[in-house]
Amino acid sequence: AQSVAQPEDQVNVAEGNPLTVKCTYSVSGNPYLFWYVQYPNRGLQFLLKYITGDNLVKGSYGFEAEFNKSQTSFHLKKPSALVSDSALYFCAVRDMGGGSSNTGKLIFGQGTTLQVKP
Amino acid sequence: DSGVTQTPKHLITATGQRVTLRCSPRSGDLSVYWYQQSLDQGLQFLIQYYNGEERAKGNILERFSAQQFPDLHSELNLSSLELGDSALYFCASSVGGASQGYEQYFGPGTRLTVT
Repeated sequence: AQSVAQPEDQVNVAEGNPLTVKCTYSVSGNPYLFWYVQYPNRGLQFLLKYITGDNLVKGSYGFEAEFNKSQTSFHLKKPSALVSDSALYFCAVRDMGGGSSNTGKLIFGQGTTLQVKP
Repeated sequence: DSGVTQTPKHLITATGQRVTLRCSPRSGDLSVYWYQQSLDQGLQFLIQYYNGEERAKGNILERFSAQQFPDLHSELNLSSLELGDSALYFCASSVGGASQGYEQYFGPGTRLTVT
């Protein structure tokens, strides 16, 4: 079965420091991977995705993610954290089952709360 | 703003009742997905429609049903509501098609409280 794991419930960093939010996945075949951010009382906002190509993917708000096939990881990173980055972050993988090219349901990790302190 | 709209934002109802949640996808998107977010279950996929047809089903209870209309808006119907159905329900849309990369754009959600 396909799955995503976010091993940390919460990550705390100081403003201006680099941040990493970890994600590992388990899929059969090549994964389609995504990061979303959820602010309080808001919907999920798409940050970035990995489909194929460069292992380092750049996304919105200065975030990037590194795809590592050998470690089955897709960690989210940012060189310098902002207090406004504090939110709930979700890693997701596209479900590759079903065989239909128009099925794109996402399987989400449990989420990691990022707390950036001034 | 993702371009996906959901109504209502909040819904409070009693056990045993039936409610309908509505979603309008982004212009041009053919796929609509419904997800349930709760504290104990996290984000769970419920059901997907593509251009009016059901494409995939997840952990959706038999008391729940959905449809996508010719104008591509979708409705999620929840009946015989139980306290455990209290959750945030999200709709998401995407263009669909394997070549499109499949990022989904989420609406603001409907918070359902069953009392």
